Amino acid sequence: RKEVEQDPGPFNVPEGATVAFNCTYSNSASQSFFWYRQDCRKEPKLLMSVYSSGNEDGRFTAQLNRASQYISLLIRDSKLSDSATYLCVVKSNSNYQLIWGAGTKLIIKP
Amino acid sequence: EAGVTQFPSHSVIEKGQTVTLRCDPISGHDNLYWYRRVMGKEIKFLLHFVKESKQDESGMPNNRFLAERTGGTYSTLKVQPAELEDSGVYFCASSRYVARGGETQYFGPGTRLLVL
Repeated sequence: RKEVEQDPGPFNVPEGATVAFNCTYSNSASQSFFWYRQDCRKEPKLLMSVYSSGNEDGRFTAQLNRASQYISLLIRDSKLSDSATYLCVVKSNSNYQLIWGAGTKLIIKP
Repeated sequence: EAGVTQFPSHSVIEKGQTVTLRCDPISGHDNLYWYRRVMGKEIKFLLHFVKESKQDESGMPNNRFLAERTGGTYSTLKVQPAELEDSGVYFCASSRYVARGGETQYFGPGTRLLVL
């Protein structure tokens, strides 16, 4: 079983729609959670950290459910520029390693 | 502030040859990481330096891989001899030394390695 699991997609979504991704993690000792965004042939870039109470950054909302060990990302009013691969990442406090999901591909269509 | 830089951007070598990848972290970042993504797989951690010391090298696949960070500035990752399965994108990241869990890792553009 992978440590971080994501639906690979692709999610084909019309512009302006709302889309949500989930990811699950297996290590209950994980303490830090992130969503990264990766454009084609580019490096991953931090989109947002995920906090226990949930957090929002503009059109993006992240939620963490520790009991069920899953993390979600909601994108409202999607833009063409949101097309990318979204990577779910976790980290334990015992080391600095980032543990990555394989990513969910999002395609926003006009 | 300049970001993380990596050199070369691409490398194509034959099986059995040696390749050395270089990473220059963001100035002042004590933490430096190497990650790798092979085709169709998720990004995997390779190792972590704090300044010039290897803090965690649990992700290094085998002894054909050697990472160094002399002087605690830039780092090199050498693959010798390269094998076909070493093909992939090698990312470097850096972060400041802050309390665990609080750091953000900034990634370089990656080196795309193809072993033929």
